[in-house]
Amino acid sequence: SQQGEEDPQALSIQEGENATMNCSYKTSINNLQWYRQNSGRGLVHLILIRSNEREKHSGRLRVTLDTSKKSSSLLITASRAADTASYFCATISGAQKLVFGQGTRLTINP
Amino acid sequence: EAGVTQFPSHSVIEKGQTVTLRCDPISGHDNLYWYRRVMGKEIKFLLHFVKESKQDESGMPNNRFLAERTGGTYSTLKVQPAELEDSGVYFCASSLSGPSYEQYFGPGTRLTVT
Repeated sequence: SQQGEEDPQALSIQEGENATMNCSYKTSINNLQWYRQNSGRGLVHLILIRSNEREKHSGRLRVTLDTSKKSSSLLITASRAADTASYFCATISGAQKLVFGQGTRLTINP
Repeated sequence: EAGVTQFPSHSVIEKGQTVTLRCDPISGHDNLYWYRRVMGKEIKFLLHFVKESKQDESGMPNNRFLAERTGGTYSTLKVQPAELEDSGVYFCASSLSGPSYEQYFGPGTRLTVT
């Protein structure tokens, strides 16, 4: 099975609501990163949280990391139509390669 | 500062043909990575260069794929001969050294093999 599995696979909410996406992984990590991909475009780095950190904020984004449960969550507050995209978590262990999950497709309805 | 660029943005080739993808990393980034996303599946690591050397090529699917980074600047990924299952989006990323540095991704090359 894959590391960095996201939950849910798809999420549809109203503009202004908060969106929460979860990610689980299987091995010990150096850090965990969240990326966004708008349709047909490249991956945009959102936030990096190190293994010794529990929570991190960046604008409307809040990421938590629970290494005991091998899980992370991404919260987007006050969602906007422009937040519609696919969101991926990715982990880095010993090597520098990112291990991605299948992503969560987020749709913000006006 | 220019980001990671990839060329072409889209390529359509027939099975058995050869295709070469190019990636220009951010200037000063010694680390260059190739990833790909096959339809409906997760983004998977292919290989990692540090300057001109292959640091990790554990994700390369088979010997039909050849990656180079002559001079430690841009990189090419050649698929020869292409098969139908090679269709997907090929991403390139670059970073400074160390696992704590974020990897900056290019827009990807969409490869369609017919």
